[in-house]
Amino acid sequence: DAKTTQPPSMDCAEGRAANLPCNHSTISGNEYVYWYRQIHSQGPQYIIHGLKNNETNEMASLIITEDRKSSTLILPHATLRDTAVYYCSTGYYGNKLVFGAGTILRVKS
Amino acid sequence: SQTIHQWPATLVQPVGSPLSLECTVEGTSNPNLYWYRQAAGRGLQLLFYSVGIGQISSEVPQNLSASRPQDRQFILSSKKLLLSDSGFYLCAWSVGRTGNTIYFGEGSWLTVV
Repeated sequence: DAKTTQPPSMDCAEGRAANLPCNHSTISGNEYVYWYRQIHSQGPQYIIHGLKNNETNEMASLIITEDRKSSTLILPHATLRDTAVYYCSTGYYGNKLVFGAGTILRVKS
Repeated sequence: SQTIHQWPATLVQPVGSPLSLECTVEGTSNPNLYWYRQAAGRGLQLLFYSVGIGQISSEVPQNLSASRPQDRQFILSSKKLLLSDSGFYLCAWSVGRTGNTIYFGEGSWLTVV
């Protein structure tokens, strides 16, 4: 069973920030938070991961709450190509990640 | 750079027939290897996990088996396919322990008819 909870779908206007939430209230102290996305019929693409601190890379930012029970993935300027299913997962050292149903993000012009 | 190859990309098989999906990773040594399955409209289910040659962990009881005959080769098999085995199968790899990322192949679509 997935250990994370995400909204089934979200809409975002093109050019605006997309904020995707994830609840992982049972996360353990050494588990990382990972985000992936999947465009239809392709393998999931790694986006970002973090342990305690907020993280940023060229694709997105990851905000983890202080109690680590939830996180938010931020796509700062969403484009139509960001339309995909976004998965949040937790795991030790990146191994054996379990993925739930994810959030379908629809970016609209 | 590391690459992962998975084949065949699509497969249509009759019920009761055998299955063999292959996956190889290039550009790295001693990777952790994974097989995931995704049913239509569903999330990713971890099927098998391997940390080394001949070391396979099965995550869910099922009609499938996995083998790792070489360091960078991972094979998913079945002796007799069921209709419920249809889905999108993904091979993935990671290296090491701390905070390392899992990278996925492009997947194989299996339709059992």
